[in-house]
Amino acid sequence: EAGVAQSPRYKIIEKRQSVAFWCNPISGHATLYWYQQILGQGPKLLIQFQNNGVVDDSQLPKDRFSAERLKGVDSTLKIQPAKLEDSAVYLCASSSLPSGGSTTDTQYFGPGTRLTVL
Amino acid sequence: QKEVEQDPGPLSVPEGAIVSLNCTYSNSAFQYFMWYRQYSRKGPELLMYTYSSGNKEDGRFTAQVDKSSKYISLFIRDSQPSDSATYLCAIRETGGFKTIFGAGTRLFVKA
Repeated sequence: EAGVAQSPRYKIIEKRQSVAFWCNPISGHATLYWYQQILGQGPKLLIQFQNNGVVDDSQLPKDRFSAERLKGVDSTLKIQPAKLEDSAVYLCASSSLPSGGSTTDTQYFGPGTRLTVL
Repeated sequence: QKEVEQDPGPLSVPEGAIVSLNCTYSNSAFQYFMWYRQYSRKGPELLMYTYSSGNKEDGRFTAQVDKSSKYISLFIRDSQPSDSATYLCAIRETGGFKTIFGAGTRLFVKA
């Protein structure tokens, strides 16, 4: 079974530029997550999709971040314009169970995209 | 107060040592407890999960939950250099949508 794919793996941009990240979840997984992991911290959920609908985007800075999940499969996360504090690893994860289920669901993470904003 | 507190370390131990990693949490509504392992420049991978107080064992790994103290632990027996990684605790409410991660503890096992 192929894992979660993310691209690019690394990105360096100047502040105020825009950037986009792409994620291809494990085939058949209904739920897709985008996390931000700042150096020395744990992953922080930015947005969670179930199929192509948004379940939770309460921690997404909507003035500069946007995300979509096309046809309930691939997803893109965009930052426009980027700030210095956006330097982090952006992790995509997917799980097979619907969110809010009665049991825990295993989240499978991709390798992440390391963003450096100069 | 953070919802999950975890000592970031680093923790350095000799090969073969027993390692103890710990987290505390603040909200008794959290019912699911997980440990993830993250190697450098990789995404986290689930090691173990539990939803009850007590111990759960899987090979060299034991997860322990004490809901009365809101304290969770991961023990690694006979630690190996390949165990060197960051260990993240994670918690989730019953029927909840969001998993909350601790900051992670960096572990180094010296050969």
